[in-house]
Amino acid sequence: RKEVEQDPGPFNVPEGATVAFNCTYSNSASQSFFWYRQDCRKEPKLLMSVYSSGNEDGRFTAQLNRASQYISLLIRDSKLSDSATYLCVVNMGRAGNTPLVFGKGTRLSVIA
Amino acid sequence: DGGITQSPKYLFRKEGQNVTLSCEQNLNHDAMYWYRQDPGQGLRLIYYSQIVNDFQKGDIAEGYSVSREKKESFPLTVTSAQKNPTAFYLCASSIARTYGYTFGSGTRLTVV
Repeated sequence: RKEVEQDPGPFNVPEGATVAFNCTYSNSASQSFFWYRQDCRKEPKLLMSVYSSGNEDGRFTAQLNRASQYISLLIRDSKLSDSATYLCVVNMGRAGNTPLVFGKGTRLSVIA
Repeated sequence: DGGITQSPKYLFRKEGQNVTLSCEQNLNHDAMYWYRQDPGQGLRLIYYSQIVNDFQKGDIAEGYSVSREKKESFPLTVTSAQKNPTAFYLCASSIARTYGYTFGSGTRLTVV
């Protein structure tokens, strides 16, 4: 099983739609979780951290399910500007400041 | 403003040459990382450093070298031993894994 797995997409949705991405991770000791957004030919940028209780930032909601080892990202009322690749990122719980593990990303295209 | 700066933005290398990519941060972050991204692919870890004068190999270190003589700087050298160096190179830094990474804007390296 890969450490962090995402559906690569692409997800093609109309403006105003609600879309959800899931991500699974292999290590039950994982401690920190993030969603990053990467625009074409640009660097990844932190979208939001994912907390155990779930968290919301405007149209974006992130949730964590530790029992099933997955995190999700929900985007409501999709905008054209939401078109990007969304990366799931996990701290695998190893000692020290060892690197985060990145998923390969899910591509979203919002269509007018 | 604090940030992480990569230079140059575009770099062209002749076959058989070594080239060095610069990465500088003024965020006072202890840890720094180098990733490679190929078109349509995820991020692959090349090297990382948790403290000055110390660094570890990532998943694809062959053909690359790094140094960490100062906290602010983590240059990456792409050597002639790297057979397929054309890619997008991203440098990142973090204060701790729990806070995620800040990325530089990347360097696009092309072998001509």
